[in-house]
Parts: sequence; C-alpha cells; structure tokens
Amino acid sequence: EDKVVQSPLSLVVHEGDTVTLNCSYEVTNFRSLLWYKQEKKAPTFLFMLTSSGIEKKSGRLSSILDKKELFSILNITATQTGDSAIYLCAVGSYNTDKLIFGTGTRLQVFP
Amino acid sequence: EPEVTQTPSHQVTQMGQEVILRCVPISNHLYFYWYRQILGQKVEFLVSFYNNEISEKSEIFDDQFSVERPDGSNFTLKIRSTKLEDSAMYFCASRRTGTGDTQYFGPGTRLTVL
Repeated sequence: EDKVVQSPLSLVVHEGDTVTLNCSYEVTNFRSLLWYKQEKKAPTFLFMLTSSGIEKKSGRLSSILDKKELFSILNITATQTGDSAIYLCAVGSYNTDKLIFGTGTRLQVFP
Repeated sequence: EPEVTQTPSHQVTQMGQEVILRCVPISNHLYFYWYRQILGQKVEFLVSFYNNEISEKSEIFDDQFSVERPDGSNFTLKIRSTKLEDSAMYFCASRRTGTGDTQYFGPGTRLTVL
C-alpha cells in the first residue's frame, strides 16, 4: 500500500530558529512530491519536486528530494510567527491522478 | 491571482439529508478533484473528474456520492443521504494541463452531520 510519512508530527520553535521537516514515502511509480502549507483554510502550494538533488527555493523556504532514499526535506530559515501552520507533504504517482498525503507537521513559531 | 472557491464554508445537516457542496475551479483548469479530511486525520482522495466524467474514484466514493459539472464554472459534490461519519472538511482542487501533479486547493467546506 502506498504511504507517505511525515515527521515530526509537531514542532514548537522561537522566531529566528531554523527548522527541518521530513517526508518519506513508499509510492509505486513515483512521479513527484509536493509541499503545501495549510493555515486555517486552503492548503497552499509551496513546491513540486521531481528530480533528486535539485533544491527548490522560495525566500526562506527550500526543499530537496532524494529519490534513492525516498524522502524529502523542507527547510525554513529565520522562522517567523507567520510560518505557523501545518505543512503537508503529498506524492503523485504515474499510476493515479490523485495525491497521496502525509499526516502533516504542525509548526508553531513563538515570538 | 486566480483561486479555487468553495461554498458554503460550513454546512450543518441532519443525518439522512442530502447535501451539495459547491466549487468553482480556476478558470483554465481542466482536472478537478474532491478530497476530504476528517478531523485529526490525513487528507484523503475522493474523486477526480476530467472531460465531464469521473476519471478515478476511491473506495470512500460509494453510491451515496456523486459529482457534476452543471455548467462551465461550477463543480459539485453531492452526498445523497449523509451519515455521521461524513462529517469532515471537504476540499475541492483543480489543476491545468502541463503542470504535473500541482493541484490548487479551495478553502474547504466543513460539513457537520448531526
């Protein structure tokens, strides 16, 4: 059965800290891995990764994929209170049109 | 920037009643999806829709569920006879051709079945 596992489930940090969120997967015919940020409403798209070793970067957020070890990390540097959210990892497969989600990591950033 | 919109934001219904959840996908998107998230659990796929027909559905999407694109903009999810376990956040998503797996999500409809 396909699965996506995120760790940690929850993380509490202070503003200015750097955090690393993990996502591992076992998905048949892997196609891509996506990161979303979920605040009170819609999961908002952050990154899509398809190739190993190529870092995607947007401001203080960056992500990288390792297709050999079947995981991805999402880094957030110099965290701000506005980074507080649930970060979702989802995987796409050539076998299906759906996204397979992990449970998410809840990040809380305190001033 | 275009967004997926959903209405209502919150729906409360009695068990056994029919509900229709509405979504307006991003205008140039051709692939549409419904997911749900029961409180404290993962986001789960329900159904995908392309070219006016269901392209894939999960085991959750049984005969109680149906989807429709009644016009050029709306995409609806109908639950014919709601059960307590249908209480969840329902997300609509859409994507366009050529963007891989990137799906854009709406804000969700929280369905509460009493």
